[in-house]
Formats: sequence, structure tokens, C-alpha cells
Amino acid sequence: AQSVTQPDIHITVSEGASLELRCNYSYGATPYLFWYVQSPGQGLQLLLKYFSGDTLVQGIKGFEAEFKRSQSSFNLRKPSVHWSDAAEYFCAVASEYGNKLVFGAGTILRVKS
Amino acid sequence: NAGVTQTPKFQVLKTGQSMTLQCAQDMNHEYMSWYRQDPGMGLRLIHYSVGAGITDQGEVPNGYNVSRSTTEDFPLRLLSAAPSQTSVYFCASSYSRQAAASTQYFGPGTRLTVL
Repeated sequence: AQSVTQPDIHITVSEGASLELRCNYSYGATPYLFWYVQSPGQGLQLLLKYFSGDTLVQGIKGFEAEFKRSQSSFNLRKPSVHWSDAAEYFCAVASEYGNKLVFGAGTILRVKS
Repeated sequence: NAGVTQTPKFQVLKTGQSMTLQCAQDMNHEYMSWYRQDPGMGLRLIHYSVGAGITDQGEVPNGYNVSRSTTEDFPLRLLSAAPSQTSVYFCASSYSRQAAASTQYFGPGTRLTVL
């Protein structure tokens, strides 16, 4: 069965600092990996996705993620965080045979000025 | 396009009451699904549909019914609400059932409280 672990429940970073949110997945075959962001009271917005090819994926809002098969990880990064990035971030995995997403528990990002 | 719409935005029920959460999309998407979001647990799949007339269970289907009579609509029914169903419910849709082919778009959510 697929599963996703986001080890950090909360992360606080200073505005302008770099950010890395961790995601580890468990899946026996080729994983399809996603990062979503949820602002307070809002739905989920897709930041980026990885299916195959280049292991460094660029997304919206200046985010990128790197797929590392050997570590079963798909960490999200941003070089310089803005106060508007404060939100909850979800990593998710799906199989290549369907669109059923399995989500991690989420990481709440706080940005301090 | 309005995208994925959900009604109501908020709802309070008493234990044992029934209700239907509405979800509609205007993007002619084949695949639709319902998730519930609980603190510390992320989102969990309740039911999904790969097309009109076809539905299947997800990870946490108990206490919920769905049907899909049209491409556009995918209502979620709570037959007899329980406090354990207090949650935020999200509907999502995508063009294709295959993860490789399409992105899932999420609605704004329905916050349900069962007393």
C-alpha cells in the first residue's frame, strides 16, 4: 500500500530564508508525486508534480522539488521564502494506474518577519 | 469556467440527521472524488468516480454514499450523521483517471460539524 510521511508538523522560517519541506513515500512501483499548498480556509492548489524524467521539478510560486528514488524522498524547496508562503503543504503519491491520491499529514509553514 | 464548486460552505448537523454535500464541475472532467480532511491526518479518499454511472470506494467509505448520474455532478450523502464525520470535505476532479495524464483540481471545501 502506498503511504506518505511528512516528518515535520510545523516549520518556522524567517522571511527571505531558504525552505525545505521533507516528504518520504512508500510505493513499490513508479510513484507519481505531488506537492499541494492549502492557504487558510481554502482548497488545495497544485504546486508541482513528478511523473518521470528530470528528477528536479520546477513548480509555481518559485518552488522546486527533487525526486530521490534511493531515499524514497520528494522534498520541496524554495530559495527565499515570502510571508505569503505561510500555509499548509501536503505531499501526495498516486499510482500510475489511477488518480487516487494518498496524502501525507501536512506541514504547516509559518513565516516570521 | 467556475472550476469545482461545492455547497454548502458550512453545515451543522445533529447526530442521526442526513444531508447531501453538493459538488459540481464545469470542465467536462471524467474523474471526480471526495476527500475528508482531519487535523494531523491529511486528506483521505472517501469515494471516487471514473465516469457517469461508475463509482467506487476509497479508503474511508463507511457512512457515505455517492452516485454519479451526470458528468458534472458528484454528490456525497451522509445517511445518518455521526460526530466522527465532523470534518472538512473536499471534492476534486480531473480530466482523466490516470495520474500521469491530468491534474486534480480541488473545490473550496465544506466544513461539517456533527453535534
